[in-house]
Amino acid sequence: GAVVSQHPSRVICKSGTSVKIECRSLDFQATTMFWYRQFPKQSLMLMATSNEGSKATYEQGVEKDKFLINHASLTLSTLTVTSAHPEDSSFYICSARDRLSEAFFGQGTRLTVV
Amino acid sequence: SQKIEQNSEALNIQEGKTATLTCNYTNYSPAYLQWYRQDPGRGPVFLLLIRENEKEKRKERLKVTFDTTLKQSLFHITASQPADSATYLCARGGTSYDKVIFGPGTSLSVIP
Repeated sequence: GAVVSQHPSRVICKSGTSVKIECRSLDFQATTMFWYRQFPKQSLMLMATSNEGSKATYEQGVEKDKFLINHASLTLSTLTVTSAHPEDSSFYICSARDRLSEAFFGQGTRLTVV
Repeated sequence: SQKIEQNSEALNIQEGKTATLTCNYTNYSPAYLQWYRQDPGRGPVFLLLIRENEKEKRKERLKVTFDTTLKQSLFHITASQPADSATYLCARGGTSYDKVIFGPGTSLSVIP
């Protein structure tokens, strides 16, 4: 299957700083990317959907000014957690899909805010 | 609201037995359902997709059924192995322009 690479796999940051997570589709052009968040022992919750070249669509309850999503090219989307706080500590997972295929998932990023 | 529910928080079975996981949906009629495997600290891995007009689909030791009358999908792992231990997620959407929405997942432990 197609490969989606997410970087970094783990990050620890201080409270109040911003963290950027990258999601790349390595062997296909991802017209759509999705960002999920997963808390311990819970399922993946969709945060937002981004289409290349347009603004992301956020799910209800997700702050768009706190979780900045940029999908500037067909192979790269970034999620920036701004002014991170301990409650933002979570497992963040991206997913990418071209127009017709199934969605493929990255390996996830474990964010810890101290 | 549209919901996906999965059975029991954890399922423990003996190696060699068949594991059966349940996914129920309410308040909508999905055109297809998907099953994923997730290991701790990893992203989900796609296993199978079944469409509403397909009663059953198989892939090696895996079998998925889709009963639109019961609004239910069953996921079976035959001849289970300890390496099958993981969390299994049922999901709707994922092809064309749909977003993938996951159920809560069922944790499976296969005991040697």
